[in-house]
Amino acid sequence: DADVTQTPRNRITKTGKRIMLECSQTKGHDRMYWYRQDPGLGLRLIYYSFDVKDINKGEISDGYSVSRQAQAKFSLSLESAIPNQTALYFCATSDRAGETQYFGPGTRLLVL
Amino acid sequence: RKEVEQDPGPFNVPEGATVAFNCTYSNSASQSFFWYRQDCRKEPKLLMSVYSSGNEDGRFTAQLNRASQYISLLIRDSKLSDSATYLCVVRHNDMRFGAGTRLTVKP
Repeated sequence: DADVTQTPRNRITKTGKRIMLECSQTKGHDRMYWYRQDPGLGLRLIYYSFDVKDINKGEISDGYSVSRQAQAKFSLSLESAIPNQTALYFCATSDRAGETQYFGPGTRLLVL
Repeated sequence: RKEVEQDPGPFNVPEGATVAFNCTYSNSASQSFFWYRQDCRKEPKLLMSVYSSGNEDGRFTAQLNRASQYISLLIRDSKLSDSATYLCVVRHNDMRFGAGTRLTVKP
């Protein structure tokens, strides 16, 4: 079984809808991250969490929110989706040293 | 200016060729450096860390020049299975990813 899982794997939604992307991990890591990937821009950090009580904004947090429900779960919400949030979203984890990140398989989101 | 810049490629090389990728970063306080590999429509995976003295892992050699804020990856004796996008990653407080360099190795 995969160590980092994401649901859903693909999602099509309409402008203005609220959606949630979920991430679970079995690696026992404290740190979890949400990134988006766009062609030509690479991965950009949206939010990260170093433990259940610690949530931090990343490079591009506007329009997104997160919830760290447990050490193993970190969800990303788009409160009111817009077309430029169409992207590939990755969840990742790392241990406390933070040196290596382990990525989930990604969620492809299309906002119409 | 992007924090981490890479030549996007694509690099198209024959099997057995040697290919080099370059990367520059803007934050001189960056602490750690990595190369990740990403296959088409898949998640990135760590290829290797990059150390100040340079390091090698089989056919792969990584170099770091802190003075020039420059990182390189050399792949010798390219295999078809090396075809992927290679991401340069720099860590200060968090990880910053380059947009990637695409490599295609052809028979």
